[in-house]
Amino acid sequence: DAKTTQPNSMESNEEEPVHLPCNHSTISGTDYIHWYRQLPSQGPEYVIHGLTSNVNNRMASLAIAEDRKSSTLILHRATLRDAAVYYCILRENYGQNFVFGPGTRLSVLP
Amino acid sequence: EPEVTQTPSHQVTQMGQEVILRCVPISNHLYFYWYRQILGQKVEFLVSFYNNEISEKSEIFDDQFSVERPDGSNFTLKIRSTKLEDSAMYFCASSDESNEQFFGPGTRLTVL
Repeated sequence: DAKTTQPNSMESNEEEPVHLPCNHSTISGTDYIHWYRQLPSQGPEYVIHGLTSNVNNRMASLAIAEDRKSSTLILHRATLRDAAVYYCILRENYGQNFVFGPGTRLSVLP
Repeated sequence: EPEVTQTPSHQVTQMGQEVILRCVPISNHLYFYWYRQILGQKVEFLVSFYNNEISEKSEIFDDQFSVERPDGSNFTLKIRSTKLEDSAMYFCASSDESNEQFFGPGTRLTVL
């Protein structure tokens, strides 16, 4: 089963930053933290991943707590297109499958 | 940008019939996966495939399921005798030796 805990849902206003939290208190030293999202009627889509340091890419930023027991996905300016279910997933090695939890359903209000 | 493709987008079948769901992974990828998502539920892992053999499978992936990479480009999921509870979205994914899996758009399977 998924080893992460996320809020069931969150709401944001368009153009505002969104902070999506994830708790993973049982994370091991070799687990990578992955974030995927699933837009309505689509397959999951990669957002970002990290191990220990904070990460930035064109889609989002990932802030990882110093003890690695939690992380936060940051969308700097939410758009309507960002409305999706966001999944925080731990995985040790490439080639392994992902174990999806229920994720956080993000609603973006105009 | 390369992408994973899946056909058909929607498959309707009678209970007990065999279905084959097809996927074309990204060409230089080495790892292949099938997941499914029953309507309103979470995405569930079925099977992973590497070096022409199954590397991992879940409890869902029983003897009714099989996977094949018949020609070096396609990756198929076969369900031998479909059941009503097999109705779901089936997603194929592929990856290289990185941490990103690329998912296809899915095949909606409806078993009547």
